[in-house]
Amino acid sequence: DIVMTQSPDSLAVSLGERATINCKSSQSLLSNSNNKNYLAWYQQRPGQPPKPLISWASTRESGVPDRFSGSGSGTDFTLTISSLQAEDAAIYYCHQYHSGPPTFGGGTKVEIK
Amino acid sequence: EVQLVESGGDLVQPGGSLRLSCAASGFTFTNNWMTWVRQAPGKGLEWVANMNQDGSVKDYVDSVKGRFTISRDNTKKSLYLQMNNLRIEDTAVYFCASGAGWYCDLWGRGTLVTVSS
Repeated sequence: DIVMTQSPDSLAVSLGERATINCKSSQSLLSNSNNKNYLAWYQQRPGQPPKPLISWASTRESGVPDRFSGSGSGTDFTLTISSLQAEDAAIYYCHQYHSGPPTFGGGTKVEIK
Repeated sequence: EVQLVESGGDLVQPGGSLRLSCAASGFTFTNNWMTWVRQAPGKGLEWVANMNQDGSVKDYVDSVKGRFTISRDNTKKSLYLQMNNLRIEDTAVYFCASGAGWYCDLWGRGTLVTVSS
């Protein structure tokens, strides 16, 4: 199974500042057939289901603010929130859908400082 | 409205059985893979099982193999999870999720399964 490791476990960021979350996979998530990285990011607020933010490592879902961006390739990925807003306080999960079974990172809790 | 609605969660004793359902609406159900993901209280997300569009491909996380069965009824636009021989560690919110492939871009709100004596 592919192991997804997120860092940090939690971070506190001031409103308007940048938040950066890292995700490392134990195997490459880059497909040779289509040159795509099978990596997604989800946001989960308390009591809510996960909300898809980004797929294919860097493609924002419809309606997701452009302050959210994803980058990286192969085994190392990053989710960046460029200017943190109050509503961004949540837990963020990375998720690989390259190889079975699909797996999730342990989550990163983002709090407002 | 595009949505997934889970039902069937309950309190059950260890060794018991439960069947979860997920009703889909607002999209072409037969185009999508369907997935169950669970989240134990205060814990992260765990993929449980998924199934392709016509039900010919199914896969499970090792911890539920032989105990859980995923199925779908495309005529009813519904997904199911039959859970047998439940264990305390199966206690979780179970989410139904959907997508064109293994990536899930639509999630339900979840249903709570509690396994306790």
